[in-house]
Amino acid sequence: QVQLVESGGGVVQPGRSLRLSCATSGFTFSPYGMHWVRQTPGKGLEWVAFISNDGSNQHYADSVKGRFTISRDSSKNTLYLQMNSLRAEDTAVYYCARDGSNRDIDYWGQGTLVTVSS
Amino acid sequence: QSVLTQPPSASGTPGQRVTISCSGSSSNIGRNPVIWYQQLPGMAPKLLVHSDSQRPSGVPDRFSGSKSGTSASLAISGLQSEDEADYYCAAWGDSLNGPSVVFGGGTKVTVL
Repeated sequence: QVQLVESGGGVVQPGRSLRLSCATSGFTFSPYGMHWVRQTPGKGLEWVAFISNDGSNQHYADSVKGRFTISRDSSKNTLYLQMNSLRAEDTAVYYCARDGSNRDIDYWGQGTLVTVSS
Repeated sequence: QSVLTQPPSASGTPGQRVTISCSGSSSNIGRNPVIWYQQLPGMAPKLLVHSDSQRPSGVPDRFSGSKSGTSASLAISGLQSEDEADYYCAAWGDSLNGPSVVFGGGTKVTVL
């Protein structure tokens, strides 16, 4: 079965950096695009970034453009999110998710909590 | 402020039919398929409907999606207690800044 397991969350001060990882299993990683989506505690979902199956295309939400970088390592079946210049408003649960074949996001990890606070 | 507009809440008694609306624009719902997710308390979202109206394997046929123009809706018929959850609509959006996935603000469904 498809499994997506995020790690790397924690408490970080404003302005600092953090890198999230998403280990995948149960499917062949290389043919699929991948997403990061976040959810502020008690609030709705916000799409963060997308990377194509071969890593050649990345797209970002305006709120993170220039600060966050999505990447992937197909040899490790792992997705990453490098987050720099973190702000309080970046505090959220970050989900790794797979891009489906129907212009959808079909599988989600359980999420990792990032708290930006001094 | 979410790009797609959903009512914040909906409710019904067991066995009733509940409908959730999702309003977008020509740059998202008007040109891309609508997706619906169910999020149970403390859990990750789960794909409920894709391609406007298609259910993945394992999703009960009590859930049905539809779309017309720049609006979509999710209907839950024969409401059950385990349907109490947050429901989100989503779609790819196309803009001058590039493609993105846009979500509704979510609708909390309460089973009375």
